[in-house]
Amino acid sequence: GAVVSQHPSWVICKSGTSVKIECRSLDFQATTMFWYRQFPKQSLMLMATSNEGSKATYEQGVEKDKFLINHASLTLSTLTVTSAHPEDSSFYICSAPGATDTQYFGPGTRLTVL
Amino acid sequence: SQQGEEDPQALSIQEGENATMNCSYKTSINNLQWYRQNSGRGLVHLILIRSNEREKHSGRLRVTLDTSKKSSSLLITASRAADTASYFCATRRGGTSYGKLTFGQGTILTVHP
Repeated sequence: GAVVSQHPSWVICKSGTSVKIECRSLDFQATTMFWYRQFPKQSLMLMATSNEGSKATYEQGVEKDKFLINHASLTLSTLTVTSAHPEDSSFYICSAPGATDTQYFGPGTRLTVL
Repeated sequence: SQQGEEDPQALSIQEGENATMNCSYKTSINNLQWYRQNSGRGLVHLILIRSNEREKHSGRLRVTLDTSKKSSSLLITASRAADTASYFCATRRGGTSYGKLTFGQGTILTVHP
């Protein structure tokens, strides 16, 4: 099946710094990718839809200046958490849609902000 | 509010037993999907059922959908210790863009060997 990778798998950073997370579709092209965050023992919350060649669409309540999304190519979307704070610590997961309306998920990135 | 509610929140069974998880949703849907997540990992798609379907099978999985009650169930038969994971239902609401899913709260399944 289709493979989506994420890098890094985990990152620890200091408060106030920015962190970039990459999401790649390895064997297929994705004009759209989705970014989710997940708190421990909770469900996935959709943050934004990343669109290749155009601006991302953010869900209500998600700060677009805080979570910068760039979809520079058909196989790469990036999420940058700017000026990270401890409350941004979470598990970030990306996905790309398959041919039959299913989603292929990356393995996730655990962000810890000290 | 979350689209999907799942019950039970946690389920603990012995290997060989069947596991049933339920999901309810609030709005009309295009399809409903079930995903599995091992601890600290990404999600893996299990099965998709469309709004005009009532039941679907895939290996040891059986999914039902009742659009009149806005509910779905996932049955895992003859469970194995390797089935231990969190299971989420996800819906694509009618009228929303392709691939945009709303996830339920999830059921944590533990299968004891």
